[in-house]
Amino acid sequence: GDSVTQMEGPVTLSEEAFLTINCTYTATGYPSLFWYVQYPGEGLQLLLKATKADDKGSNKGFEATYRKETTSFHLEKGSVQVSDSAVYFCALRSGGSNYKLTFGKGTLLTVNP
Amino acid sequence: SQTIHQWPATLVQPVGSPLSLECTVEGTSNPNLYWYRQAAGRGLQLLFYSVGIGQISSEVPQNLSASRPQDRQFILSSKKLLLSDSGFYLCAWRDFEGTEAFFGQGTRLTVV
Repeated sequence: GDSVTQMEGPVTLSEEAFLTINCTYTATGYPSLFWYVQYPGEGLQLLLKATKADDKGSNKGFEATYRKETTSFHLEKGSVQVSDSAVYFCALRSGGSNYKLTFGKGTLLTVNP
Repeated sequence: SQTIHQWPATLVQPVGSPLSLECTVEGTSNPNLYWYRQAAGRGLQLLFYSVGIGQISSEVPQNLSASRPQDRQFILSSKKLLLSDSGFYLCAWRDFEGTEAFFGQGTRLTVV
């Protein structure tokens, strides 16, 4: 079945540090890939997405590239801010399962001033 | 534009009491609807999804049930809550032709 594995947290960084959160997946067909962000006490918000191999999703300074050869979709940001502190979820929607969304367990990021 | 409403935002219920959480979507037709649970310190667990009125798929056996009485209404229920039902419940929708899902603000359920 479909699965998403993302790096265990928590991740603690200083402001302006470089961020990488690793995400790898297993899926049937050609999945669409997503990163969602959850701020404290809130629901999930879509951060970025990529729907085919080699696509790069980007938003708010975050980027992730759909790597089919390594089945990965790592999230990166060159310079994090305190306001980026949140839980980040990698997710996929498999072409073999048109309705289901599969999420990773989430990575808590804390950015200190 | 499309919006999703989920209520209540917080709920404290005694063990053995019933539960009803409601989610409605506006501005779209025939959406795919989802209920997720997020337990403390854990990731998102898909509980139910629905591709149409009266069509419910359950992902895990549990003390909960879901119903979709109208196209844009999705209800999560329980006849008797357990302590282990505590968590953060999230409703989401996805357009049939779309890729990403959109989430409600969540309900924090504490069973005491």
